[in-house]
Amino acid sequence: DGGITQSPKYLFRKEGQNVTLSCEQNLNHDAMYWYRQDPGQGLRLIYYSQIVNDFQKGDIAEGYSVSREKKESFPLTVTSAQKNPTAFYLCASSKSWGTYGYTFGSGTRLTVV
Amino acid sequence: QKEVEQDPGPLSVPEGAIVSLNCTYSNSAFQYFMWYRQYSRKGPELLMYTYSSGNKEDGRFTAQVDKSSKYISLFIRDSQPSDSATYLCAALGAGNNRKLIWGLGTSLAVNP
Repeated sequence: DGGITQSPKYLFRKEGQNVTLSCEQNLNHDAMYWYRQDPGQGLRLIYYSQIVNDFQKGDIAEGYSVSREKKESFPLTVTSAQKNPTAFYLCASSKSWGTYGYTFGSGTRLTVV
Repeated sequence: QKEVEQDPGPLSVPEGAIVSLNCTYSNSAFQYFMWYRQYSRKGPELLMYTYSSGNKEDGRFTAQVDKSSKYISLFIRDSQPSDSATYLCAALGAGNNRKLIWGLGTSLAVNP
Protein backbone atom coordinates (compact mmCIF):
# COMPACT_ATOMS: atom_id res chain seq x y z
CA ASP A 1 0.00 0.00 0.00
CA GLY A 2 1.19 3.50 -0.79
CA GLY A 3 1.79 5.94 1.99
CA ILE A 4 4.20 7.99 4.03
CA THR A 5 6.50 6.43 6.60
CA GLN A 6 7.94 8.51 9.39
CA SER A 7 10.50 7.05 11.71
CA PRO A 8 11.01 6.73 14.52
CA LYS A 9 7.66 7.19 16.22
CA TYR A 10 9.28 8.45 19.44
CA LEU A 11 12.68 10.07 19.72
CA PHE A 12 14.59 11.32 22.74
CA ARG A 13 17.62 13.53 22.49
CA LYS A 14 19.80 15.53 24.81
CA GLU A 15 19.80 19.29 24.54
CA GLY A 16 22.47 20.55 22.15
CA GLN A 17 22.39 17.54 19.85
CA ASN A 18 21.23 17.62 16.25
CA VAL A 19 18.66 14.99 15.30
CA THR A 20 17.30 13.89 11.90
CA LEU A 21 13.72 12.77 11.39
CA SER A 22 13.05 10.44 8.49
CA CYS A 23 10.19 10.79 5.98
CA GLU A 24 9.75 8.42 3.05
CA GLN A 25 6.83 8.23 0.60
CA ASN A 26 6.00 5.72 -2.12
CA LEU A 27 3.09 7.68 -3.60
CA ASN A 28 5.16 9.21 -6.41
CA HIS A 29 4.20 12.65 -5.09
CA ASP A 30 6.21 15.66 -6.19
CA ALA A 31 5.55 17.95 -3.22
CA MET A 32 6.48 17.25 0.38
CA TYR A 33 6.03 19.19 3.62
CA TRP A 34 7.18 19.25 7.24
CA TYR A 35 4.90 20.53 9.98
CA ARG A 36 5.27 20.97 13.67
CA GLN A 37 2.22 20.51 15.91
CA ASP A 38 2.07 21.90 19.45
CA PRO A 39 -0.98 21.95 21.74
CA GLY A 40 -3.14 24.98 20.98
CA GLN A 41 -1.03 26.09 18.01
CA GLY A 42 -2.28 23.93 15.19
CA LEU A 43 -0.07 22.88 12.29
CA ARG A 44 2.85 25.17 11.56
CA LEU A 45 4.82 24.77 8.33
CA ILE A 46 8.57 24.32 8.75
CA TYR A 47 9.80 23.58 5.22
CA TYR A 48 8.28 22.45 1.96
CA SER A 49 9.56 21.05 -1.30
CA GLN A 50 7.68 21.50 -4.55
CA ILE A 51 9.89 19.11 -6.46
CA VAL A 52 13.06 17.07 -6.00
CA ASN A 53 16.25 19.11 -5.45
CA ASP A 54 14.21 22.14 -4.40
CA PHE A 55 12.89 23.33 -1.04
CA GLN A 56 11.67 26.54 0.60
CA LYS A 57 11.35 27.83 4.14
CA GLY A 58 7.96 27.78 5.71
CA ASP A 59 6.69 29.92 8.57
CA ILE A 60 9.00 28.59 11.31
CA ALA A 61 12.19 27.39 9.57
CA GLU A 62 14.70 28.78 12.08
CA GLY A 63 16.69 25.98 13.71
CA TYR A 64 15.70 23.38 11.11
CA SER A 65 17.20 22.13 7.86
CA VAL A 66 16.04 19.77 5.11
CA SER A 67 17.24 18.10 1.94
CA ARG A 68 15.38 16.67 -1.06
CA GLU A 69 17.88 14.64 -3.01
CA LYS A 70 15.41 11.90 -3.90
CA LYS A 71 11.75 12.24 -4.84
CA GLU A 72 10.64 9.81 -2.16
CA SER A 73 12.67 11.19 0.75
CA PHE A 74 12.50 14.48 2.67
CA PRO A 75 14.47 14.25 5.95
CA LEU A 76 14.25 17.02 8.55
CA THR A 77 17.17 17.90 10.82
CA VAL A 78 16.39 19.63 14.09
CA THR A 79 19.54 21.52 15.01
CA SER A 80 20.79 22.70 18.37
CA ALA A 81 19.79 26.23 17.29
CA GLN A 82 16.10 25.34 17.60
CA LYS A 83 15.17 26.86 20.95
CA ASN A 84 12.15 24.70 21.75
CA PRO A 85 12.41 21.45 19.74
CA THR A 86 10.13 19.22 21.81
CA ALA A 87 7.04 18.72 19.64
CA PHE A 88 5.07 16.38 17.39
CA TYR A 89 6.48 16.50 13.84
CA LEU A 90 4.38 15.58 10.82
CA CYS A 91 5.53 14.95 7.27
CA ALA A 92 3.07 15.21 4.37
CA SER A 93 3.06 14.93 0.61
CA SER A 94 0.80 15.94 -2.26
CA LYS A 95 0.67 14.87 -5.88
CA SER A 96 1.91 18.27 -6.98
CA TRP A 97 2.41 21.74 -5.61
CA GLY A 98 -0.81 23.71 -5.23
CA THR A 99 -3.16 20.78 -4.69
CA TYR A 100 -5.28 20.26 -1.59
CA GLY A 101 -5.02 16.51 -1.02
CA TYR A 102 -2.20 16.10 1.47
CA THR A 103 -1.28 12.63 2.73
CA PHE A 104 0.30 12.64 6.18
CA GLY A 105 2.59 10.26 7.96
CA SER A 106 1.90 9.10 11.51
CA GLY A 107 4.29 11.61 13.01
CA THR A 108 7.39 11.59 15.20
CA ARG A 109 7.21 12.73 18.79
CA LEU A 110 10.55 14.38 19.62
CA THR A 111 11.45 15.01 23.23
CA VAL A 112 14.60 16.94 24.06
CA VAL A 113 15.82 16.68 27.63
CA GLN B 1 -5.93 37.98 12.44
CA LYS B 2 -5.32 34.44 11.20
CA GLU B 3 -6.49 33.70 7.67
CA VAL B 4 -8.49 30.68 8.88
CA GLU B 5 -10.08 30.82 12.32
CA GLN B 6 -11.42 27.79 14.17
CA ASP B 7 -12.69 27.44 17.72
CA PRO B 8 -10.53 24.74 19.36
CA GLY B 9 -13.33 23.55 21.66
CA PRO B 10 -13.30 21.02 23.18
CA LEU B 11 -16.73 19.86 22.11
CA SER B 12 -18.44 16.99 23.92
CA VAL B 13 -21.70 15.43 22.64
CA PRO B 14 -23.72 12.28 23.34
CA GLU B 15 -23.73 9.46 20.82
CA GLY B 16 -26.30 10.03 18.08
CA ALA B 17 -26.15 13.84 18.26
CA ILE B 18 -25.74 16.08 15.24
CA VAL B 19 -22.38 17.84 15.41
CA SER B 20 -21.64 21.18 13.80
CA LEU B 21 -18.03 22.26 13.37
CA ASN B 22 -17.25 25.69 11.98
CA CYS B 23 -14.48 27.89 10.64
CA THR B 24 -14.25 31.35 9.18
CA TYR B 25 -11.72 32.68 6.71
CA SER B 26 -10.64 36.12 5.66
CA ASN B 27 -9.28 35.85 2.10
CA SER B 28 -12.03 36.00 -0.50
CA ALA B 29 -9.63 34.52 -3.10
CA PHE B 30 -9.75 31.10 -1.42
CA GLN B 31 -11.61 28.57 -3.57
CA TYR B 32 -10.85 25.11 -2.12
CA PHE B 33 -11.79 24.19 1.43
CA MET B 34 -10.96 20.99 3.26
CA TRP B 35 -11.77 19.11 6.43
CA TYR B 36 -9.15 16.80 7.87
CA ARG B 37 -9.67 14.41 10.79
CA GLN B 38 -6.86 13.62 13.20
CA TYR B 39 -6.98 10.84 15.75
CA SER B 40 -4.79 11.09 18.81
CA ARG B 41 -1.06 10.60 18.07
CA LYS B 42 -1.74 10.11 14.36
CA GLY B 43 -1.41 12.26 11.25
CA PRO B 44 -4.44 14.08 9.81
CA GLU B 45 -6.41 12.42 7.02
CA LEU B 46 -8.48 14.17 4.38
CA LEU B 47 -12.17 13.79 5.19
CA MET B 48 -13.86 16.04 2.64
CA TYR B 49 -13.21 18.95 0.35
CA THR B 50 -15.45 21.49 -1.37
CA TYR B 51 -14.84 23.88 -4.19
CA SER B 52 -16.28 27.39 -3.96
CA SER B 53 -19.73 27.64 -2.36
CA GLY B 54 -22.20 24.85 -1.77
CA ASN B 55 -22.70 21.57 -0.01
CA LYS B 56 -21.03 18.20 -0.35
CA GLU B 57 -22.33 15.06 1.33
CA ASP B 58 -20.53 11.79 2.10
CA GLY B 59 -22.44 9.37 4.26
CA ARG B 60 -22.98 10.95 7.68
CA PHE B 61 -20.77 13.93 6.83
CA THR B 62 -21.79 17.16 5.07
CA ALA B 63 -19.35 19.95 4.23
CA GLN B 64 -20.75 23.38 3.52
CA VAL B 65 -19.14 26.61 2.32
CA ASP B 66 -20.81 30.01 2.32
CA LYS B 67 -18.50 32.36 0.45
CA SER B 68 -20.71 35.39 1.08
CA SER B 69 -20.08 35.11 4.82
CA LYS B 70 -16.70 33.34 4.51
CA TYR B 71 -17.99 30.47 6.62
CA ILE B 72 -16.96 26.78 6.44
CA SER B 73 -18.98 24.08 8.20
CA LEU B 74 -18.83 20.35 8.76
CA PHE B 75 -21.92 18.51 9.97
CA ILE B 76 -21.81 15.01 11.39
CA ARG B 77 -25.12 13.18 11.67
CA ASP B 78 -25.74 10.29 14.06
CA SER B 79 -22.35 10.85 15.67
CA GLN B 80 -20.46 7.78 16.90
CA PRO B 81 -17.73 7.34 19.54
CA SER B 82 -15.39 6.53 16.64
CA ASP B 83 -15.88 10.12 15.44
CA SER B 84 -13.99 11.35 18.52
CA ALA B 85 -11.00 13.15 17.05
CA THR B 86 -9.66 16.58 16.23
CA TYR B 87 -11.17 18.12 13.11
CA LEU B 88 -9.06 20.63 11.18
CA CYS B 89 -10.41 22.95 8.54
CA ALA B 90 -8.10 24.25 5.84
CA ALA B 91 -8.19 26.46 2.78
CA LEU B 92 -5.90 26.24 -0.22
CA GLY B 93 -3.98 29.48 -0.58
CA ALA B 94 -4.35 31.59 -3.68
CA GLY B 95 -1.93 33.16 -6.14
CA ASN B 96 1.72 32.38 -5.35
CA ASN B 97 0.83 31.06 -1.89
CA ARG B 98 -0.80 27.80 -2.93
CA LYS B 99 -0.27 25.81 0.22
CA LEU B 100 -2.82 24.83 2.84
CA ILE B 101 -3.81 27.45 5.42
CA TRP B 102 -4.94 25.64 8.55
CA GLY B 103 -7.35 26.31 11.36
CA LEU B 104 -6.27 25.32 14.87
CA GLY B 105 -8.53 22.25 14.94
CA THR B 106 -11.57 21.44 17.09
CA SER B 107 -11.37 18.55 19.54
CA LEU B 108 -14.57 16.46 19.51
CA ALA B 109 -15.57 13.79 22.00
CA VAL B 110 -18.65 11.64 21.30
CA ASN B 111 -19.74 9.92 24.49
CA PRO B 112 -21.49 6.52 24.42
